[in-house]
Amino acid sequence: AQTVTQSQPEMSVQEAETVTLSCTYDTSESDYYLFWYKQPPSRQMILVIRQEAYKQQNATENRFSVNFQKAAKSFSLKISDSQLGDAAMYFCAYRRGRSSNSGYALNFGKGTSLLVTP
Amino acid sequence: NAGVTQTPKFRVLKTGQSMTLLCAQDMNHEYMYWYRQDPGMGLRLIHYSVGEGTTAKGEVPDGYNVSRLKKQNFLLGLESAAPSQTSVYFCASSLYGRGQNNEQFFGPGTRLTVL
Repeated sequence: AQTVTQSQPEMSVQEAETVTLSCTYDTSESDYYLFWYKQPPSRQMILVIRQEAYKQQNATENRFSVNFQKAAKSFSLKISDSQLGDAAMYFCAYRRGRSSNSGYALNFGKGTSLLVTP
Repeated sequence: NAGVTQTPKFRVLKTGQSMTLLCAQDMNHEYMYWYRQDPGMGLRLIHYSVGEGTTAKGEVPDGYNVSRLKKQNFLLGLESAAPSQTSVYFCASSLYGRGQNNEQFFGPGTRLTVL
């Protein structure tokens, strides 16, 4: 089974600064996808960014970018120019490229709580 | 286009009571999933469905049953609720399973408390 580890239960960043959230994963697969989800106090799960394992180029979405190190099985999220609205729980998730006994379900890490201070 | 909706949003049960959580999606998605989220944990898969009339067990299926009689609906049942089932339940759907454009869309969650 694939495991996803987020080693930072909590992080803090000042408004307008940059913060990096860490994620490592364990897999023997070569075809897979990685995701970062944001969960604000409303509980809604919001997809922030995704990365296909076969792509060497790191994904970017506006102020959000990833550092995907496939050999090291590392997938960190960088948030630039942090805003108060970025405060939330962030989850790293893994999904196999091929079906398994869990379909194409997402495997989640335990999350990192991000606090943004003015 | 409402996306994924869940009913109810909140519920309090007594131990031994039963209830059904309803998930509905209007995007004609084939795949649907039920996850639970506990404090300090990420979401864990309970059951999933790859199409109308099909269901399968996930990581934590004990104490739950599901049905997918209609493509747009995925029901999660608790026959005899236990305090260990106190959690937030999320439903998700995706058009298909594999491929690069199969984002899972999540519902708003149901907070269930079992006393």
